[in-house]
Amino acid sequence: DVKVTQSSRYLVKRTGEKVFLECVQDMDHENMFWYRQDPGLGLRLIYFSYDVKMKEKGDIPEGYSVSREKKERFSLILESASTNQTSMYLCASSLPPGQGLANNIQYFGAGTRLSVL
Amino acid sequence: DQQVKQNSPSLSVQEGRISILNCDYTNSMFDYFLWYKKYPAEGPTFLISISSIKDKNEDGRFTVFLNKSAKHLSLHIVPSQPGDSAVYFCAASYSGGSNYKLTFGKGTLLTVNP
Repeated sequence: DVKVTQSSRYLVKRTGEKVFLECVQDMDHENMFWYRQDPGLGLRLIYFSYDVKMKEKGDIPEGYSVSREKKERFSLILESASTNQTSMYLCASSLPPGQGLANNIQYFGAGTRLSVL
Repeated sequence: DQQVKQNSPSLSVQEGRISILNCDYTNSMFDYFLWYKKYPAEGPTFLISISSIKDKNEDGRFTVFLNKSAKHLSLHIVPSQPGDSAVYFCAASYSGGSNYKLTFGKGTLLTVNP
């Protein structure tokens, strides 16, 4: 079974703090993703990475950065946390591009509920 | 612009009856469609998928139907069980792209009443 592990389930931070959210996957997947989920807005893609040290902006990258130094680990960084970044953050991984349904499935971690006060 | 739409934010069904969740898309380049299920305080889990060359895929109590001409897909759950109560997300991807991003709908909250 694919396992995607997010380091914290719940996190409370102060406005202006630098916040690191860590994600590790054990399936040797090339692709990794960070989403945030907010009520009524669904899942919105923040950043994704298709290889070590490679990254691309998603739909809502403002206020975030990412780091992928090793294939299995993908970190989301909030440089200066703000209250509008209070959300559920979800990490996912998938196989590299290729034909077939299996290459399209993303596997998610349990999520990190971040509150910024 | 929302490329994947789930127009019903919520759906309530009696246990044992059929649940039908709907999803519409606008991008004709999408060729894979997936459904995810999400419980509160957990990550989404993959449920079932279909490629655009098919119009139906079945897995136990779950069946996904795809109508390409209408750009519409639906998830049928028969019979519905209280444990099916969750948020269901529809997602789509274009395999010709380089990175297999998924575009998600906003979700439908299904409540199955005992």
